[in-house]
Amino acid sequence: EAGVVQSPRYKIIEKKQPVAFWCNPISGHNTLYWYLQNLGQGPELLIRYENEEAVDDSQLPKDRFSAERLKGVDSTLKIQPAELGDSAVYLCASSLGGIRSNEQFFGPGTRLTVL
Amino acid sequence: DQQVKQNSPSLSVQEGRISILNCDYTNSMFDYFLWYKKYPAEGPTFLISISSIKDKNEDGRFTVFLNKSAKHLSLHIVPSQPGDSAVYFCAASGGNTPLVFGKGTRLSVIA
Repeated sequence: EAGVVQSPRYKIIEKKQPVAFWCNPISGHNTLYWYLQNLGQGPELLIRYENEEAVDDSQLPKDRFSAERLKGVDSTLKIQPAELGDSAVYLCASSLGGIRSNEQFFGPGTRLTVL
Repeated sequence: DQQVKQNSPSLSVQEGRISILNCDYTNSMFDYFLWYKKYPAEGPTFLISISSIKDKNEDGRFTVFLNKSAKHLSLHIVPSQPGDSAVYFCAASGGNTPLVFGKGTRLSVIA
């Protein structure tokens, strides 16, 4: 069974440029998460989707970050414009939902460097 | 305000000995706890979990202990193997709170 797929794995951009990350969750997983992981820190939730609905986006900086999950499968996370402080690893995870929501499966992440 | 704390950034253990990783939490609403393991350039992978109705859960070489009164949990790895060298994250959830992660503990198992 394929795991969570993310692309690109690495991205280097200059500040003020836009950037987008893509995630394909495990087949059948209704719940999808985007996390931010700074160096030396644990993952921090940005947004959670149940199918195509964003049910928790309270930690998403909506002035520059946006996300979508069309058709309830793949998802994209966008930053526009990027700032130096956005340099981090962006992780996507998925889970079955319901009482199994806590057992999340993570992708390898996208390491973003903003110069 | 850290709700999940892993106070030891790193731990070194000899191969074959026991590794004990600790985690403290502050939110009384947390009722489900997990440990994730992370290798470099990979995402975290689920290792073991425990519900607040239990005080111990065992899976092979890995055992998680939960002390609700102390708001403390620990992960025991016996015996430790070089392949266990990784960063271990403690995570907790409960009520309407989504999964909250600690900062991680880097375990090095020395052959």
